[in-house]
Amino acid sequence: EAGVTQFPSHSVIEKGQTVTLRCDPISGHDNLYWYRRVMGKEIKFLLHFVKESKQDESGMPNNRFLAERTGGTYSTLKVQPAELEDSGVYFCASSQEEVAGGFPSYNEQFFGPGTRLTVL
Amino acid sequence: AQKITQTQPGMFVQEKEAVTLDCTYDTSDPSYGLFWYKQPSSGEMIFLIYQGSYDQQNATEGRYSLNFQKARKSANLVISASQLGDSAMYFCAIPYMFSGGYNKLIFGAGTRLAVHP
Repeated sequence: EAGVTQFPSHSVIEKGQTVTLRCDPISGHDNLYWYRRVMGKEIKFLLHFVKESKQDESGMPNNRFLAERTGGTYSTLKVQPAELEDSGVYFCASSQEEVAGGFPSYNEQFFGPGTRLTVL
Repeated sequence: AQKITQTQPGMFVQEKEAVTLDCTYDTSDPSYGLFWYKQPSSGEMIFLIYQGSYDQQNATEGRYSLNFQKARKSANLVISASQLGDSAMYFCAIPYMFSGGYNKLIFGAGTRLAVHP
């Protein structure tokens, strides 16, 4: 079974340009998450899709970031226009459908290899 | 709100020895889980081990085990018989409860482990 894949693995762009990152989750996983790690800091949540719907986008830094998940399959994260502080590693993760109620369910999030974005 | 604290920015250990990576957490949820992930220099995030707050025993997965002390709100990762390939960043994480379900993971700042031959 293929894991979570992300494209590109690296991207170097100039300030003011646009970049689009892509994530292909594990087939059948309804949940898709985007995270970001800025150099030297902790990994921060950006947003969460359940199928094609945005469940939680409280971590999106500002309106320069736009995430989509058309048809509930792959997702894209567009940064437009990119700023220097957007540099970091962007991770995508997916998990199976959440189990509601009761004790916490263990729904492991499977992470992709990340996209390293450098804004010059 | 959930919070994870990893107080050791860097650790080193001799090959074949055991090492403990610290993780303390703060949550108001009556039930929760703790995850540990490993990030080698290649960049990917690798799931290592999970501990549920109601699990009766400490979780173990091969050379990885959790020293889970609920009263102290700590979930330290113990790596036994360290190998050179264990050199990596290690992140502790806790799920954040949202609308009755769990979604995003809250991560600690990570601990960089170096295994010396």
